[in-house]
Amino acid sequence: GAGVSQTPSNKVTEKGKYVELRCDPISGHTALYWYRQSLGQGPEFLIYFQGTGAADDSGLPNDRFFAVRPEGSVSTLKIQRTERGDSAVYLCASSPRRNTEAFFGQGTRLTVV
Amino acid sequence: DQQVKQNSPSLSVQEGRISILNCDYTNSMFDYFLWYKKYPAEGPTFLISISSIKDKNEDGRFTVFLNKSAKHLSLHIVPSQPGDSAVYFCAASGSGNTGKLIFGQGTTLQVKP
Repeated sequence: GAGVSQTPSNKVTEKGKYVELRCDPISGHTALYWYRQSLGQGPEFLIYFQGTGAADDSGLPNDRFFAVRPEGSVSTLKIQRTERGDSAVYLCASSPRRNTEAFFGQGTRLTVV
Repeated sequence: DQQVKQNSPSLSVQEGRISILNCDYTNSMFDYFLWYKKYPAEGPTFLISISSIKDKNEDGRFTVFLNKSAKHLSLHIVPSQPGDSAVYFCAASGSGNTGKLIFGQGTTLQVKP
């Protein structure tokens, strides 16, 4: 398919472990976003990439969270020393440029036990 | 500080009638507004958007209205269909920033046959 792809779709990890979540954006989309959605809430912005660089990481909750996009396409969200409060659906979105509609992946449901 | 608010957590309408979903925002710097629809276990799907230079945008059964003085937007679905049953999120972004979206909490729409 040509949509945004996220892997894995589900991830269960133990408290304190390290996890990586992957996002494959739509080909040619230069803008890439990570959001986090908790139950009963709307998606919450984490970080924005324009090309390879993180243009806005103001939404990352703390320094346990980090994201990369080394070649301007695939992005990886990395969470160190996971906590139970990190449990949520992590959504990735891409768009051809900023201020146009963003296309979302199906999300990765992260559960920290 | 909730910059985008959807004060109705749920809405139920009869098939064929109009559905009206409301959204309020507080940040006057927002200049682009979007509505997304979300089914369970899927990512949000873009529905319709409106720029702050307009007060109405229509696409088939979906119309978005923007009242800048009241900082209010609404989504009208006419006629409503059972397949429209989903969670609807409004989102906003501001000029000069990265295009990151600020989402409301969502409204669950149920269209009864």
